[in-house]
Amino acid sequence: KQEVTQIPAALSVPEGENLVLNCSFTDSAIYNLQWFRQDPGKGLTSLLLIQSSQREQTSGRLNASLDKSSGRSTLYIAASQPGDSATYLCAGFTGANSKLTFGKGITLSVRP
Amino acid sequence: DAGVIQSPRHEVTEMGQEVTLRCKPISGHNSLFWYRQTMMRGLELLIYFNNNVPIDDSGMPEDRFSAKMPNASFSTLKIQPSEPRDSAVYFCASILYLGYGTVNTEAFFGQGTRLTVV
Repeated sequence: KQEVTQIPAALSVPEGENLVLNCSFTDSAIYNLQWFRQDPGKGLTSLLLIQSSQREQTSGRLNASLDKSSGRSTLYIAASQPGDSATYLCAGFTGANSKLTFGKGITLSVRP
Repeated sequence: DAGVIQSPRHEVTEMGQEVTLRCKPISGHNSLFWYRQTMMRGLELLIYFNNNVPIDDSGMPEDRFSAKMPNASFSTLKIQPSEPRDSAVYFCASILYLGYGTVNTEAFFGQGTRLTVV
């Protein structure tokens, strides 16, 4: 059974700081890992999808990496801005049973 | 494509009433997921379908919950009778899953239905 963990649950940083959000998963037979952003009261917006054959994906100031052997993914946010304040969730897709399993998310606050 | 569409966006109902949540997945997607989100538990997978067939409903909390997918473009999640502890945001997501070996299975979410049972 796939379990996805995100620690810490909350993070507060000053504007401009580079930061790393961590995600760990138990089942290395993962097809892909997806990072989402959720603003308060809103739905989930897909940020990056890393396929199992890839090591990383980049979109603007965001870079996500995947290490299947260690069961870890990281989301790197460069030069953080107050607009980056949101909850970030990672989800692993396990193809054997086509299931998408989420971590509980990290609530990020970027202080001006 | 308009994305995953859920309705209603908000639902307030009295305890004991039947509630039906609706979801229209992205056209062409063949896997559909229902999630429930609360502050305490985060996102919980309730049930998911592949090609309109329920694959795993082990996350459905009780027999009061039921879900159907009569065709590729529509799914419902029903709660009967509803209880205050069912209050949560319910999300629907869809994926194009082409079977074992598929890797590019980006999931897209609807805006959710905020359910309040009083």
